[in-house]
Amino acid sequence: DVKVTQSSRYLVKRTGEKVFLECVQDMDHENMFWYRQDPGLGLRLIYFSYDVKMKEKGDIPEGYSVSREKKERFSLILESASTNQTSMYLCASTRTGMSNQPQHFGDGTRLSIL
Amino acid sequence: QQQVKQSPQSLIVQKGGIPIINCAYENTAFDYFPWYQQFPGKGPALLIAIRPDVSEKKEGRFTISFNKSAKQFSLHIMDSQPGDSATYFCAASKNSGYSTLTFGKGTMLLVSP
Repeated sequence: DVKVTQSSRYLVKRTGEKVFLECVQDMDHENMFWYRQDPGLGLRLIYFSYDVKMKEKGDIPEGYSVSREKKERFSLILESASTNQTSMYLCASTRTGMSNQPQHFGDGTRLSIL
Repeated sequence: QQQVKQSPQSLIVQKGGIPIINCAYENTAFDYFPWYQQFPGKGPALLIAIRPDVSEKKEGRFTISFNKSAKQFSLHIMDSQPGDSATYFCAASKNSGYSTLTFGKGTMLLVSP
């Protein structure tokens, strides 16, 4: 079974802090994704990565950056946290293939910015 | 611009009822339409998916109906159970190695005993 692990379930930070959210997958998947989930807005893609050191912007990249130094690990970075970044953050991974592959999600990190 | 529109936002049915969740898309390049189920405190998990070359797909009590000309697809849950209470997301993607998904806003389903 694929396992996507997010390092923290809950995180509380202050405005202006630099925040790191970590995600690790154990199935050697090429693609990894970061979403934020807000009530009534669904899941919105922040960034994704299709290979080590490669990244692509999603729909809402502003205020975020990412890092992928190893295939199994994908980090989301809030450079200077703001209160409007309080949200649930979900990481996912999937295999690259000729046809679409299911995305496997972690259980999320609920981030509060005070 | 919202590319996948999902309705209703919330739904309450009695046990045994057949909740129906609808989605509509705009981008004709989409060719893969999955549904994800999310329980409280958990990440979404793939429930069932369909491609536009078929009009219906059934897996257990879950059925996707697909109308390519109308650019609409829907999820039906037969004989719904309280354990089906969850948030359901439709999604769509184009066939690419990246498998990026565009999600609907979700439907919170409550199945009462």
